[in-house]
Amino acid sequence: DSGVTQTPKHLITATGQRVTLRCSPRSGDLSVYWYQQSLDQGLQFLIQYYNGEERAKGNILERFSAQQFPDLHSELNLSSLELGDSALYFCASSANSGNTIYFGEGSWLTVV
Amino acid sequence: GEDVEQSLFLSVREGDSSVINCTYTDSSSTYLYWYKQEPGAGLQLLTYIFSNMDMKQDQRLTVLLNKKDKHLSLRIADTQTGDSAIYFCAEYGMRFGAGTRLTVKP
Repeated sequence: DSGVTQTPKHLITATGQRVTLRCSPRSGDLSVYWYQQSLDQGLQFLIQYYNGEERAKGNILERFSAQQFPDLHSELNLSSLELGDSALYFCASSANSGNTIYFGEGSWLTVV
Repeated sequence: GEDVEQSLFLSVREGDSSVINCTYTDSSSTYLYWYKQEPGAGLQLLTYIFSNMDMKQDQRLTVLLNKKDKHLSLRIADTQTGDSAIYFCAEYGMRFGAGTRLTVKP
């Protein structure tokens, strides 16, 4: 158990809908990362937050957004969902921006 | 662009050593990681190495880093069937290889 908690574990939704994925980092970790893992794209870094502020942005679509709250938990919002958004979404956390990153178990999103 | 490259498949016999190789492109990377992903599970941090190190050993795992060639390898000694998984090399948390699927045959 990495200490990073993600909910929900599984989610099925229809095209065009919007979902929110939630992440609680390890206790004391200030940095949160979001990733998408799909069969065709592999593991892609989406975005990083550090202590509430966006720190780095990767291959995140405009239909996706994220935020980190004062209690350091984070949410990834996915809107106007398409079939191709079906993937495993990981959250990870680290103590600071340069420290070891620990991954959660992931949230499986299926868009039908 | 900057890529992390790994071979996609490796098959070994139980008890043999496994060597998974990775090349990276960002010479400024300060941390290089190896993660293990079992079917249906998240990424488990196996080990990491600082860029100022050449080698790191952790029980059955040995990581070798050749900064000149930007080459990283993970050696698993006495490979077991439970080691069957996908292994990802990563530059910090931003760039991941495609993963090497290790299959261990009894």
